[in-house]
Amino acid sequence: QTVVTQEPSLTVSPGGTVTLTCASSTGAVTSAYYPNWFQQKPGQTPRPLIYSISNKHSWTPARFSGSLLGGKAALTLSDVQPEDEAEYYCLVYYGGVVVFGGGTKLTVL
Amino acid sequence: QITLKESGPTLVKPTETLTLTCTFSGFSLSTSGVGVGWIRQPPGEALEWLTIIYWDDDRRFSPSLKSRLTITKDTSRNQVVLTMTNMDPVDTATYYCAHMANGPVFGYWGQGTLVTVSS
Repeated sequence: QTVVTQEPSLTVSPGGTVTLTCASSTGAVTSAYYPNWFQQKPGQTPRPLIYSISNKHSWTPARFSGSLLGGKAALTLSDVQPEDEAEYYCLVYYGGVVVFGGGTKLTVL
Repeated sequence: QITLKESGPTLVKPTETLTLTCTFSGFSLSTSGVGVGWIRQPPGEALEWLTIIYWDDDRRFSPSLKSRLTITKDTSRNQVVLTMTNMDPVDTATYYCAHMANGPVFGYWGQGTLVTVSS
């Protein structure tokens, strides 16, 4: 069973920068796995943020960026705003089969 | 404008079969590269991917749930149907359907439907 691992929780100060990561039990996450990132606030549907490593949707704020970092997919939030407090999920695509990470709860404090 | 909406029972009994329908608009499931997937989320827990059906009728399943899942599409009615057999209380969750475009890009989700499994 393939497992995708994210940090369970992170805390960042308003205006700061934070990087969330997404690791695969099969090895390094590469462009072939097309990682996606989603934001979910309590009681809401997941909101797509990033696809194929670093591509943004038209509604994705500029302060969100995606990359590959040390064999993992990464989501970096710059100039963090209070409204960025949420759960963040990555998705990894294994040639047709999809696995979600366990989510990172981001606290802005 | 792409929209998806899940429909089906809100309550099922243990051992019963769940059938959910995803009705969508704004795209065709006969377009190359397009898929519709199902994801669920138990209360307070993480997202879990279940299955996806592609434009060419290829289907993929979560290995842990493969024996219980069926997914079909009706291109003319713009619907995708998920069935899950032998429901258990641990299957209580909000079930979402989502559009996948070539990329793969999971850019559009339905609002989700909460399914409770209880006798």
